[in-house]
Amino acid sequence: GDSVTQMEGPVTLSEEAFLTINCTYTATGYPSLFWYVQYPGEGLQLLLKATKADDKGSNKGFEATYRKETTSFHLEKGSVQVSDSAVYFCARRSGNTPLVFGKGTRLSVIA
Amino acid sequence: EAGVTQSPTHLIKTRGQQATLRCSPISGHTSVYWYQQALGLGLQFLLWYDEGEERNRGNFPPRFSGRQFPNYSSELNVNALELEDSALYLCASSLGQGVTDTQYFGPGTRLTVL
Repeated sequence: GDSVTQMEGPVTLSEEAFLTINCTYTATGYPSLFWYVQYPGEGLQLLLKATKADDKGSNKGFEATYRKETTSFHLEKGSVQVSDSAVYFCARRSGNTPLVFGKGTRLSVIA
Repeated sequence: EAGVTQSPTHLIKTRGQQATLRCSPISGHTSVYWYQQALGLGLQFLLWYDEGEERNRGNFPPRFSGRQFPNYSSELNVNALELEDSALYLCASSLGQGVTDTQYFGPGTRLTVL
């Protein structure tokens, strides 16, 4: 069935470091792809999305490109801040199905 | 524009009791989704309602049920509570426009079963 695989966390980075969180998805259907972020004690916020191959989603310095050939949607940011500390979820949706989430990657950024 | 709202914020129940969780979607959204976020288990899809009808259901027992009202708000009911039902329950809403639809999440209801 549909699934999303994210890199295992936690990830700890120093402020201003480069961030990559890997995400791959099953290729059934023509999914839309999403990154959500969950700050401590809060619900999920949409970070960015891409709805077709080669689309690039971007927001708040984060970006991810929908790669059909590698079934990937890796999240990147050039320079992380302490305020980016959160749990990041990759998700897919295709057809008449609900969102399928990866297990989440916890990011800690230290000053 | 108001976001998705959920009530209550916290709910404490004992085993065997029933819990009712409520969700109000963003104005204009017709689809409501419920997810369970239990510790260590990630986000699991529970239920999806659109235009008052149940569209899809996740792999949960029948004691998890819900409904959507004519104003598109929704209720999640959990009967015969078990300890493992303790989790954060997240509601999301969307315009109901298919695969490119974005789901917007509420802050969640934290259910604790003692």
